Amino acid sequence: QKEVEQDPGPLSVPEGAIVSLNCTYSNSAFQYFMWYRQYSRKGPELLMYTYSSGNKEDGRFTAQVDKSSKYISLFIRDSQPSDSATYLCAIDRGSTLGRLYFGRGTQLTVWP
Amino acid sequence: DTAVSQTPKYLVTQMGNDKSIKCEQNLGHDTMYWYKQDSKKFLKIMFSYNNKELIINETVPNRFSPKSPDKAHLNLHINSLELGDSAVYFCASSQDASGGYEQYFGPGTRLTVT
Repeated sequence: QKEVEQDPGPLSVPEGAIVSLNCTYSNSAFQYFMWYRQYSRKGPELLMYTYSSGNKEDGRFTAQVDKSSKYISLFIRDSQPSDSATYLCAIDRGSTLGRLYFGRGTQLTVWP
Repeated sequence: DTAVSQTPKYLVTQMGNDKSIKCEQNLGHDTMYWYKQDSKKFLKIMFSYNNKELIINETVPNRFSPKSPDKAHLNLHINSLELGDSAVYFCASSQDASGGYEQYFGPGTRLTVT
């Protein structure tokens, strides 16, 4: 079983829609939960960061972590065409290796 | 001012050749990484260096050899290139390797082996 599972999509929504992206993970030792956004032909950039369980909100973006279910989510409200990108979840055990475990990425298209 | 830079951006070469990709970060970070991203966007760790010492070495063919001359640079040399090596290679850096730190990615090097 992979450390992190993510539905690759693709996902296509109209502008203004609420988008829900999800990942599941297998190891309860994971402590740090991140979402990276990757635009076409660019490197990934950190979008949201959560430590342990709970919610974190930043503008139109909300990250949720449910450690009991080993489930993480990213919600995008009032989605915009500029949100069109690949979204990768990434999880860190907090070891001394700095190793991130990435999901496969979900490709999102927001059409006007 | 570019934080993590890679050269070249594009690399087209024939099977059997040897090539190198260079990476530099100006963030003062201690830890650097090489990732391979395949055509389906899966990002896979290859190597990680912390203070010039190798700390992650995934199951990568020994045709791939990383080298870190100093904390700000991490290069990747690939011998005897194969068709399956075609991918985008990303360099990244983080403050250190203790976990929970953001990784900053370079723009990627798109390698095509013909």
